[in-house]
Amino acid sequence: DTGVSQNPRHKITKRGQNVTFRCDPISEHNRLYWYRQTLGQGPEFLTYFQNEAQLEKSRLLSDRFSAERPKGSFSTLEIQRTEQGDSAMYLCASSLGTGYYGYTFGSGTRLTVV
Amino acid sequence: AQTVTQSQPEMSVQEAETVTLSCTYDTSESDYYLFWYKQPPSRQMILVIRQEAYKQQNATENRFSVNFQKAAKSFSLKISDSQLGDAAMYFCAYLWEGNKLVFGAGTILRVKS
Repeated sequence: DTGVSQNPRHKITKRGQNVTFRCDPISEHNRLYWYRQTLGQGPEFLTYFQNEAQLEKSRLLSDRFSAERPKGSFSTLEIQRTEQGDSAMYLCASSLGTGYYGYTFGSGTRLTVV
Repeated sequence: AQTVTQSQPEMSVQEAETVTLSCTYDTSESDYYLFWYKQPPSRQMILVIRQEAYKQQNATENRFSVNFQKAAKSFSLKISDSQLGDAAMYFCAYLWEGNKLVFGAGTILRVKS
């Protein structure tokens, strides 16, 4: 068990470009969550998966954002046509079943849009 | 929607002393789960302690304990014998509908040697 892994750790991109982040959860965890955290704030929920099914998406997740979890293992979060307001830390977390015992978080991917 | 409020943007404590971080929340649910997470600078978020609302007894994990006041919707974190390694951002969180964590804005804890 190597924990939740996120790649890349840092990403700098030009406005208008597309970016994709990857999250590898703890292998036996069936739930996977994406959060966004801006500087000095608490994480905000974006979306979550149970196995390969995306069960909920936040209204924060505009049409430019898409997430997948093929085969219920790793997940990707893609942002199309990035904007400066997308600059944030994107956190991935996983849990076994519901989050009654808390989530295990990854170290995050810091996105900077210039 | 559930909300979580942390009214202390920043707190300081002397090494070996005790500090309490405040958290209040709003909910109409009777059974729920609350958490405190620690986020050291540039490092991942770590679960510190959890509380099940239907349990009257306050949770304790070594030097960390909570004061859970269900009627007041208050969930404070007490850190005893503070250590330099406790310096971090602390987030209070509520598990909403058993599906997603809702976080407060966080409290920066500084530990003075």
